[in-house]
Amino acid sequence: AQSVTQLDSHVSVSEGTPVLLRCNYSSSYSPSLFWYVQHPNKGLQLLLKYTSAATLVKGINGFEAEFKKSETSFHLTKPSAHMSDAAEYFCVVSDTPGTYKYIFGTGTRLKVLA
Amino acid sequence: EAGVTQSPTHLIKTRGQQATLRCSPISGHTSVYWYQQALGLGLQFLLWYDEGEERNRGNFPPRFSGRQFPNYSSELNVNALELEDSALYLCASSFLSGVTYNEQFFGPGTRLTVL
Repeated sequence: AQSVTQLDSHVSVSEGTPVLLRCNYSSSYSPSLFWYVQHPNKGLQLLLKYTSAATLVKGINGFEAEFKKSETSFHLTKPSAHMSDAAEYFCVVSDTPGTYKYIFGTGTRLKVLA
Repeated sequence: EAGVTQSPTHLIKTRGQQATLRCSPISGHTSVYWYQQALGLGLQFLLWYDEGEERNRGNFPPRFSGRQFPNYSSELNVNALELEDSALYLCASSFLSGVTYNEQFFGPGTRLTVL
């Protein structure tokens, strides 16, 4: 069965320092992977997606993620955190092909300190 | 272009009542997905509709049901409400193309509170 694990429930960084949000996945298939962000009282917004093209994926707002099959990881990074990055981030893996289901991680709440 | 819209924004019901939540997808999208985001439980897949048919459902009891209308809008019904149904219900839409997992676009959600 497909699954996704976000290794940190909370991450705190200082403004201007790098961000690393960790995600490991398990899939019997070649997965599609996504990162979504949810700001308070808002819906989810797609940051980036991996669908078996380039392993280094660039997204919006300076975020990027690298698909590492050998490590079954899809960590999200950003070189320099901004106060507006404070939000909850979800790593998502596709379910069995044909089901079109997303399987969400439990989320990582990012706090950015001034 | 308008995004996914959901109504109402907030809904307060009492135990045993029924709740109806509505979702309008992005124009051109034929698939609608429903998710429950309950405190401490993360985002759980509820239902997927495409072209008017229920295609898949998550591990929820039958009192969670819905439908998709010819204009691709969708309704989620929750019967016999229980306290633990209190959650943010998110709707998403996408178009399908083969087996590619296309991006799902999410609405702002409906906050359901069961008293």
